[in-house]
Amino acid sequence: QKEVEQNSGPLSVPEGAIASLNCTYSDRGSQSFFWYRQYSGKSPELIMSIYSNGDKEDGRFTAQLNKASQYVSLLIRDSQPSDSATYLCAVIVGTSYDKVIFGPGTSLSVIP
Amino acid sequence: DTGVSQDPRHKITKRGQNVTFRCDPISEHNRLYWYRQTLGQGPEFLTYFQNEAQLEKSRLLSDRFSAERPKGSFSTLEIQRTEQGDSAMYLCASSLRGATEAFFGQGTRLTVV
Repeated sequence: QKEVEQNSGPLSVPEGAIASLNCTYSDRGSQSFFWYRQYSGKSPELIMSIYSNGDKEDGRFTAQLNKASQYVSLLIRDSQPSDSATYLCAVIVGTSYDKVIFGPGTSLSVIP
Repeated sequence: DTGVSQDPRHKITKRGQNVTFRCDPISEHNRLYWYRQTLGQGPEFLTYFQNEAQLEKSRLLSDRFSAERPKGSFSTLEIQRTEQGDSAMYLCASSLRGATEAFFGQGTRLTVV
């Protein structure tokens, strides 16, 4: 079992819709979770971090965490064509829980 | 610019040659990571440092790969006897300490011909 899993997509949504991106992780002890956005040919850019169960909102982005289910999600409201990118879920794992591991990413396409 | 800096941005090398990449982390960031990313995949963990100490090296990494972080500042990643399968984007990231957000440099794209 991979440490971090995501639906590979591609996920296509119309402009203005809500995009929902999902991530599961295997290490029940993980406490820190991140979402990165990566445009084609560019390096990953941090967009959200979440550490506690529940929702965390930042503008059009909402991260949701459920540690019991080992599940993290990212919702993008009012999706824009500029949101078209690959979204990477990252989890802190390791013996000392200090190493950042990434999922394979989900490709999102927002259709005008 | 106080972000993570990587050099070079692009490197084309012949199979069998050695290459070295450099990463300058955000100042005061103690943690430094190296990742490799191929098309359509997420960043694959290679190794990480806490100051000058290398904490872990991925067991998927062959002995041709080595990394250093002398004096806990910049880091270098060397690949010896490059193979075509080494062609990828090599990403460096740094964080203030463990278990916190990591910030990436622009990456070094390696092409082995």
